[in-house]
Amino acid sequence: GQNIDQPTEMTATEGAIVQINCTYQTSGFNGLFWYQQHAGEAPTFLSYNVLDGLEEKGRFSSFLSRSKGYSYLLLKELQMKDSASYLCANADSGYALNFGKGTSLLVTP
Amino acid sequence: GAVVSQHPSWVICKSGTSVKIECRSLDFQATTMFWYRQFPKQSLMLMATSNEGSKATYEQGVEKDKFLINHASLTLSTLTVTSAHPEDSSFYICSARSGTSYEQYFGPGTRLTVT
Repeated sequence: GQNIDQPTEMTATEGAIVQINCTYQTSGFNGLFWYQQHAGEAPTFLSYNVLDGLEEKGRFSSFLSRSKGYSYLLLKELQMKDSASYLCANADSGYALNFGKGTSLLVTP
Repeated sequence: GAVVSQHPSWVICKSGTSVKIECRSLDFQATTMFWYRQFPKQSLMLMATSNEGSKATYEQGVEKDKFLINHASLTLSTLTVTSAHPEDSSFYICSARSGTSYEQYFGPGTRLTVT
């Protein structure tokens, strides 16, 4: 998406914590989604934020600041299987998703 | 959880032919279905939004006469790529949501290769 920015690539060590940032600009905002996508597969839902603050779900947490147009996804206790692409997306009023280009995360031993 | 299927999972066709891709919600009624396209190493791009019983809304730059979308029931939407060309080769993914939830569920995708 042209109005969503996230880093292209990140590398982190197994067991560590990584934060993937996302900034967005939109005229109609209906929530911020994070998805995980492995190569050749469809995205799988990780989190949804519509109000400011932190949402925690197991090893994954997501934060949203609407005034700053900013979100991050926090992954704790990284595992090798977490190596994937992480997609930030904002939703319009009809919940159609505008995806960022994705952040490719490599978890190393 | 909600399950969305797509058929076929992959298809190879010759240039100039048409290909139909089906998207089904297996255990819920999908009032809205979305069609996305993903080229290699790029993000998903929304092609169109389809509401049951009404015409699809296409995103700018997507040819509605080339990508025919039908959403005739609450569990089935189809995307037909007409007169396919090699540049239409891509990963096509549908998603579906019911009117009561923000969440949309993605199908496994269909990889189209046009030779």
